[in-house]
Amino acid sequence: SAVISQKPSRDICQRGTSLTIQCQVDSQVTMMFWYRQQPGQSLTLIATANQGSEATYESGFVIDKFPISRPNLTFSTLTVSNMSPEDSSIYLCSVAEPRVAFFGQGTRLTVV
Amino acid sequence: KQEVTQIPAALSVPEGENLVLNCSFTDSAIYNLQWFRQDPGKGLTSLLLIQSSQREQTSGRLNASLDKSSGRSTLYIAASQPGDSATYLCAVKWDSSYKLIFGSGTRLLVRP
Repeated sequence: SAVISQKPSRDICQRGTSLTIQCQVDSQVTMMFWYRQQPGQSLTLIATANQGSEATYESGFVIDKFPISRPNLTFSTLTVSNMSPEDSSIYLCSVAEPRVAFFGQGTRLTVV
Repeated sequence: KQEVTQIPAALSVPEGENLVLNCSFTDSAIYNLQWFRQDPGKGLTSLLLIQSSQREQTSGRLNASLDKSSGRSTLYIAASQPGDSATYLCAVKWDSSYKLIFGSGTRLLVRP
């Protein structure tokens, strides 16, 4: 099983600023995924991050708002840009071995 | 459209009771289905994975079943304990692309 570390675990940010969330995996993985969980809601996939290529974004999410980096096979970052209170959510990093998906502990973001 | 639905949204039971959580999905041609546990404000912990060719999986007091023809999975928790209190999420993968579609979850409270 993969062990995923996310930083920060939580943050309170001012509107209009940006926050970069880091995701570190203890093994090399082809794909990494970023999810958002809005308060009281289930998880929604933001984008798929592949090493060496542009991230693939789901409908409703754009690169200007959620830029993603994937510099190597064990690390990825998600930036939440120009934040507004509506961006207050838990952001989760995930990896998928051939069959099983594993998740980090999440980053709880509050925008004030 | 591929969707996952979980019923009930919330459940409260006394300690020691056996319980069943339900997950239904459109499009029976799934790749696999995974049950997760999420504690408040935390990430996801994988509980059980059922491949499309399997009918059930067991881990300790947990048993997950899959009926593709009816588009349903159930998570059975035996002899529930207060420590089982959490939100339980069902997620379906429809192909090998690793993308998961999540249900909205069942929030379980086990009362001492």
